[in-house]
Amino acid sequence: AQSVTQLDSQVPVFEEAPVELRCNYSSSVSVYLFWYVQYPNQGLQLLLKYLSGSTLVESINGFEAEFNKSQTSFHLRKPSVHISDTAEYFCAVSDSGATNKLIFGTGTLLAVQP
Amino acid sequence: GAVVSQHPSWVICKSGTSVKIECRSLDFQATTMFWYRQFPKQSLMLMATSNEGSKATYEQGVEKDKFLINHASLTLSTLTVTSAHPEDSSFYICSARDNRGGDTEAFFGQGTRLTVV
Repeated sequence: AQSVTQLDSQVPVFEEAPVELRCNYSSSVSVYLFWYVQYPNQGLQLLLKYLSGSTLVESINGFEAEFNKSQTSFHLRKPSVHISDTAEYFCAVSDSGATNKLIFGTGTLLAVQP
Repeated sequence: GAVVSQHPSWVICKSGTSVKIECRSLDFQATTMFWYRQFPKQSLMLMATSNEGSKATYEQGVEKDKFLINHASLTLSTLTVTSAHPEDSSFYICSARDNRGGDTEAFFGQGTRLTVV
């Protein structure tokens, strides 16, 4: 069975500061890893994903995540956050099988303060 | 990215009535659709997986007779909450994927907030 752990339920940070949102996973098979962002009362939007190849993946709005197989981690980072980055961030894992169903972590609220 | 539309975005219903939520893929054919529910300040919990033309596969603990899922076409899946009760109040989100091309990205609807009074 697969599982995802997001240890931080909330991360407060000042604007323009760097941030790291932690994500660890467990799986006995090959995995695909995802970060989704959810703004208040909205659905999820895919931020970035790791399927294969380069272990460092980037999003168009400055976020990046690195797949670390030995540490079973997929932490999300941004060197300088904006107020508009305030949202709930979910890490998710799926297997490489036909179903590809996503298993989500409990989420981390990134609260950017001026 | 592809667009998934969920309707309605919110609904209030009386206890004991049934509510239908629609999930449509607007610009692609969804061979697989997923239904999730999300309680306040919690993560998304997968309820069921449905493949077009087949019966849905429900996750453990989800009552299939209460949460009826129909995936009759490649662009539409519906979730019907039958005999809804206040404890069914939640945020329901669907996602859709086309598995045929090997792409693994699932696209999410905007969610439906159900309140049962």
